[in-house]
Amino acid sequence: DGGITQSPKYLFRKEGQNVTLSCEQNLNHDAMYWYRQDPGQGLRLIYYSQIVNDFQKGDIAEGYSVSREKKESFPLTVTSAQKNPTAFYLCASSITGGDQPQHFGDGTRLSIL
Amino acid sequence: QQQVKQSPQSLIVQKGGISIINCAYENTAFDYFPWYQQFPGKGPALLIAIRPDVSEKKEGRFTISFNKSAKQFSLHIMDSQPGDSATYFCAAKVVTSGSRLTFGEGTQLTVNP
Repeated sequence: DGGITQSPKYLFRKEGQNVTLSCEQNLNHDAMYWYRQDPGQGLRLIYYSQIVNDFQKGDIAEGYSVSREKKESFPLTVTSAQKNPTAFYLCASSITGGDQPQHFGDGTRLSIL
Repeated sequence: QQQVKQSPQSLIVQKGGISIINCAYENTAFDYFPWYQQFPGKGPALLIAIRPDVSEKKEGRFTISFNKSAKQFSLHIMDSQPGDSATYFCAAKVVTSGSRLTFGEGTQLTVNP
């Protein structure tokens, strides 16, 4: 079945550590996205990529980094510069342009030890 | 101007009742309006979407009403069921400017048995 796989489901980080969240899709979508979800604040866009080897900052990119070396993969690194990283992180993908919906993975919950 | 404002933040409805969630936008260039449903610990899933050339779209118990002049759209859930208890997000985008969505803040719906 086609879909988006996020791993791990739960992740713990020590202070000062960088951690990388995985996102893989087999939907053959060109565009991929990372969102952060906090209670009562909806979905905030961190980074997005509309094509391989290219990505753009979203609304809250500070303290995060991404790469898009393959069409299927869009890993997100939460760096030590992100002061409040505890959140639910969601990856999504879509066909670029048109009235096409975004398809979401089931998220990674990141907590600070 | 890019914001989508969603209300109410939370909603409690009795089984069999009608749930109504409202969204308002400022950017008149928005021309695609999807609604997403999210269960706890899961990613959002597309529920129903509308383009501004129609005033209403119905899929089963779910209906989107769209008022272009008021820049508002709403989700109606008829005969609400306990299984509809979830968080609902409205969203909007400009179809010709890529694939980025702007999300509302979300509404937590509880349907009591």
